[in-house]
Amino acid sequence: EDKVVQSPLSLVVHEGDTVTLNCSYEVTNFRSLLWYKQEKKAPTFLFMLTSSGIEKKSGRLSSILDKKELFSILNITATQTGDSAVYLCAVAPPYGNAGNMLTFGGGTRLMVKP
Amino acid sequence: SAVISQKPSRDICQRGTSLTIQCQVDSQVTMMFWYRQQPGQSLTLIATANQGSEATYESGFVIDKFPISRPNLTFSTLTVSNMSPEDSSIYLCSVGEAAYGYTFGSGTRLTVV
Repeated sequence: EDKVVQSPLSLVVHEGDTVTLNCSYEVTNFRSLLWYKQEKKAPTFLFMLTSSGIEKKSGRLSSILDKKELFSILNITATQTGDSAVYLCAVAPPYGNAGNMLTFGGGTRLMVKP
Repeated sequence: SAVISQKPSRDICQRGTSLTIQCQVDSQVTMMFWYRQQPGQSLTLIATANQGSEATYESGFVIDKFPISRPNLTFSTLTVSNMSPEDSSIYLCSVGEAAYGYTFGSGTRLTVV
């Protein structure tokens, strides 16, 4: 059974801190790993990673994938209260496999205190 | 990426009733996905809806409880039938594919009383 595990479960930091969120996976078919930020209801897309070792950056957020060790990390530097959210990691199979469905991890709840 | 309009945004329903959630996409898509997120939990796939064929349901979800319609390539509905408090969740539709990423609707927060 495909499995995506995120850690930590929750995290409380102060503004300005740097955080690292972890996502490990065990899946039969892998195409890409995606990170989402969920503040209220709808997850909003952050990154899609398909290749090992290539860091993707967007402002204070960055992410990297290690396909050998089967994990990804999401870094947030200089955290702000607006970064408070649940961060979800998901793995997608190759096109045509398993109906293209995403397998989600349990999420990391981040709270950034002023 | 596609833009999805999902409604209703939220609803409070009596047990035993049914609620239909709609998702409209601004472009034609082959597959649409319906997820449930119970309180404090991650997203769980309910079913995959292809236009012109019956939806494919994941283990633990059945068509009688969650009937899905997919009348065309831009629209789908999910009905939560004979609701109980355990159905209180956020319901999300999604479109996309592995090569290009996935987009989610704005979500429906359902409370069953």
